[in-house]
Amino acid sequence: GDSVTQMEGPVTLSEEAFLTINCTYTATGYPSLFWYVQYPGEGLQLLLKATKADDKGSNKGFEATYRKETTSFHLEKGSVQVSDSAVYFCALSIIQGAQKLVFGQGTRLTINP
Amino acid sequence: KAGVTQTPRYLIKTRGQQVTLSCSPISGHRSVSWYQQTPGQGLQFLFEYFSETQRNKGNFPGRFSGRQFSNSRSEMNVSTLELGDSALYLCASAGQGADTQYFGPGTRLTVL
Repeated sequence: GDSVTQMEGPVTLSEEAFLTINCTYTATGYPSLFWYVQYPGEGLQLLLKATKADDKGSNKGFEATYRKETTSFHLEKGSVQVSDSAVYFCALSIIQGAQKLVFGQGTRLTINP
Repeated sequence: KAGVTQTPRYLIKTRGQQVTLSCSPISGHRSVSWYQQTPGQGLQFLFEYFSETQRNKGNFPGRFSGRQFSNSRSEMNVSTLELGDSALYLCASAGQGADTQYFGPGTRLTVL
């Protein structure tokens, strides 16, 4: 079945460090790929998405490129801030007559000043 | 546009009771999905409704049910609550044919 595997957390970095959170997927069709972020006590917010191979999604300094050959969608940011501390979820969606997101296990990110 | 809203935000129930959670999607969105989030199992898909019809269902027992009204608002019901049902329940909506789901703030259910 379809699945998403994320880098194990938690991840702790210093402010202005470079961030990478790895995400790989298994899917039988051609999924759209997403990164969602969850701040404490809140729901999920869409961070970025890509709908086909080689697409790059970007938002708020975060980027991820849809790599079909390596079935990956790694999240990167060049210089993290304390406000980026949150849990990050990689997800895929294949619409076959119905909506359904399949999520990775989440990666907790803490940025220290 | 207003986002997805969920009520109530917090609930405390005891084992054996039942509970109903409500979700109002983004205006114009007709697809509503529900997810359960727990520390152990992560985010799991419960079901999805579109135009009052359940189109997809996850691997949950029959105690979990839902419905959607003609105005696209949705409710989910959990009967005979168990301790393991304690979780954050998230609702998401999407436009017709769109692949992006937008989430509400969730309802945190605690079963004692």
